[in-house]
Amino acid sequence: AQTVTQSQPEMSVQEAETVTLSCTYDTSESDYYLFWYKQPPSRQMILVIRQEAYKQQNATENRFSVNFQKAAKSFSLKISDSQLGDAAMYFCAYRSGGGADGLTFGKGTHLIIQP
Amino acid sequence: NAGVMQNPRHLVRRRGQEARLRCSPMKGHSHVYWYRQLPEEGLKFMVYLQKENIIDESGMPKERFSAEFPKEGPSILRIQQVVRGDSAAYFCASSPGSANYGYTFGSGTRLTVV
Repeated sequence: AQTVTQSQPEMSVQEAETVTLSCTYDTSESDYYLFWYKQPPSRQMILVIRQEAYKQQNATENRFSVNFQKAAKSFSLKISDSQLGDAAMYFCAYRSGGGADGLTFGKGTHLIIQP
Repeated sequence: NAGVMQNPRHLVRRRGQEARLRCSPMKGHSHVYWYRQLPEEGLKFMVYLQKENIIDESGMPKERFSAEFPKEGPSILRIQQVVRGDSAAYFCASSPGSANYGYTFGSGTRLTVV
């Protein structure tokens, strides 16, 4: 079974600074997808960024980018120019590429933005 | 284009009662997933359904929990004889087919068992 580990229960960053959230995973598969989701206090789960395991290029979405290290099974999220609206829980998630499986989530990192 | 609609947003049940949680997927989405989120935890997969079929229920508790996605109408997650440990946020997500682009989640139903 796959597992996803987020080792930082909470992170704090000054507004406009850069922060990196870590995520590692364990799998024996070669084909899979990785995601970062944001959950603000409204509880809505919002997709931030996704990465296909077969792509070597790191995904980027505006101020959000990932550092995908397949051999190390690491998938960290970098948020540049942090904004107050980025404050939320961030969850890393894994999905097998071959089947109809649901997502496997980490326990989350609570991101605090200091004004 | 409405997103994934879940209702009710909040549900309070006494121990032993039944809870029914509804999920209407996004228009054009035929795949529905249910997840449970306990306090201070990430979401845990429960069940994956397509219209009239349960595809994967490996995350569902063996007793008291059931799910359906009928040909017409929303998907229903049903919890019979609720206990305090069932208190959690229950999320529904939908996808048009392959979920490799990430699902669209609803806002969840917070179930409180008193």
